[in-house]
Amino acid sequence: EMHLLESGGGLVQPGGSLGLSCAASGFTFSSFAMSWVRQAPGKGLEWVSTISGSGGNTYSADSVKGRFAISRDNSKNTLYLQMNSLRAEDTAVYYCAKEDDQSDAFDIWGQGTMVTVSS
Amino acid sequence: DIQMTQSPSTLSASVGNRVTITCRASQSISNWLAWYQQKPGKAPKLLIYKASSLESGVPSRFSGSGSGTEFTLTISSLQPDDFATYYCQHYNSYSWTFGQGTKVEIK
Repeated sequence: EMHLLESGGGLVQPGGSLGLSCAASGFTFSSFAMSWVRQAPGKGLEWVSTISGSGGNTYSADSVKGRFAISRDNSKNTLYLQMNSLRAEDTAVYYCAKEDDQSDAFDIWGQGTMVTVSS
Repeated sequence: DIQMTQSPSTLSASVGNRVTITCRASQSISNWLAWYQQKPGKAPKLLIYKASSLESGVPSRFSGSGSGTEFTLTISSLQPDDFATYYCQHYNSYSWTFGQGTKVEIK
């Protein structure tokens, strides 16, 4: 069974940094693009960043460009999101998601990890 | 950037009702559209991809249609497990955009 498990969320002060991880199992991790999607409390879904299967290509939303960095370690079946210069508006549940290579939809999601940016 | 607009924002319905949710794109997106269901405190679940293809394991009462700029998600006979928020999503040029969501409530 395909499974994603996020970790690393927590409370951080504005301007601070935090790193998230997403451990994958049940599929050939290196064959699929992976993404981070976030959801602020009581709000809708917002795409954050995507990385290709090889890790050679990355894409990010304008709202996080230059502050967040997505990466992956295919030897460890793990996806990462390094978040710097955090702002209050980055407060959200962060989900990792696997991209289906035929439809570009997100077919497998983790349970999410909460990031709170507050002083 | 392509904008995705869902309607209605909230929908009240009874068990057994036929329910339709609309998603409109600000420009033509062919059939690059997905639908997700999300329950409180849970991750989204993929229901429909490429506008009308049913994801494996999703009940057949869910269906999607449309192409170009207008798309619909239909639940043919609403079940108690279907009360949730539904999102459309578009992929274009290495950017993914979600609609604002439609909450389906019990009437």
